[in-house]
Amino acid sequence: QKEVEQDPGPLSVPEGAIVSLNCTYSNSAFQYFMWYRQYSRKGPELLMYTYSSGNKEDGRFTAQVDKSSKYISLFIRDSQPSDSATYLCAMSVRTGRRALTFGSGTRLQVQP
Amino acid sequence: DAGVTQSPTHLIKTRGQQVTLRCSPKSGHDTVSWYQQALGQGPQFIFQYYEEEERQRGNFPDRFSGHQFPNYSSELNVNALLLGDSALYLCASSLPSQETQYFGPGTRLLVL
Repeated sequence: QKEVEQDPGPLSVPEGAIVSLNCTYSNSAFQYFMWYRQYSRKGPELLMYTYSSGNKEDGRFTAQVDKSSKYISLFIRDSQPSDSATYLCAMSVRTGRRALTFGSGTRLQVQP
Repeated sequence: DAGVTQSPTHLIKTRGQQVTLRCSPKSGHDTVSWYQQALGQGPQFIFQYYEEEERQRGNFPDRFSGHQFPNYSSELNVNALLLGDSALYLCASSLPSQETQYFGPGTRLLVL
């Protein structure tokens, strides 16, 4: 069993829809959680970073962490065709200079 | 402010050959991590360098080695290439106190 599980998709939604992307994890030592966006044949781009359980909002993006359920989510409001990409969740056990463990990524397609 | 840069962008090698990939971290960052991303998968941690030494290593054979220079730039070397080494190789940089890592565009390696 992988430490981090993520539905690979693809997930196809119409423009303007609310998108929900999720990851589950098995290692209770994970404390720091990140979401990266990766366009085709490009490097991952950091979108959101959270530490504690709860919600964190940044523009159209909301990251949610539920440590008791070992479940994290990324919500995208008013989705745009430019949001079409692969979304990777990542996590680490401690602060500073720690390896990141990634999910396999969810491919999102926003239809105009 | 230049982000993380990597060279070359693409590389084709044959089995058994050796390859060297290069990375320059984001300005002010002293920690460099290398990841391997196979097609359709999330990045897998190879190793991390700071203070010119390897500090952490993922589950990769010793055919994978690296180096960090005094200016914080880094190299990844892979010896005795296998077909399975074909992947996108990503470099990420960070500050000592940060959990977040910033990725370069990657080097796409194809082993024939």
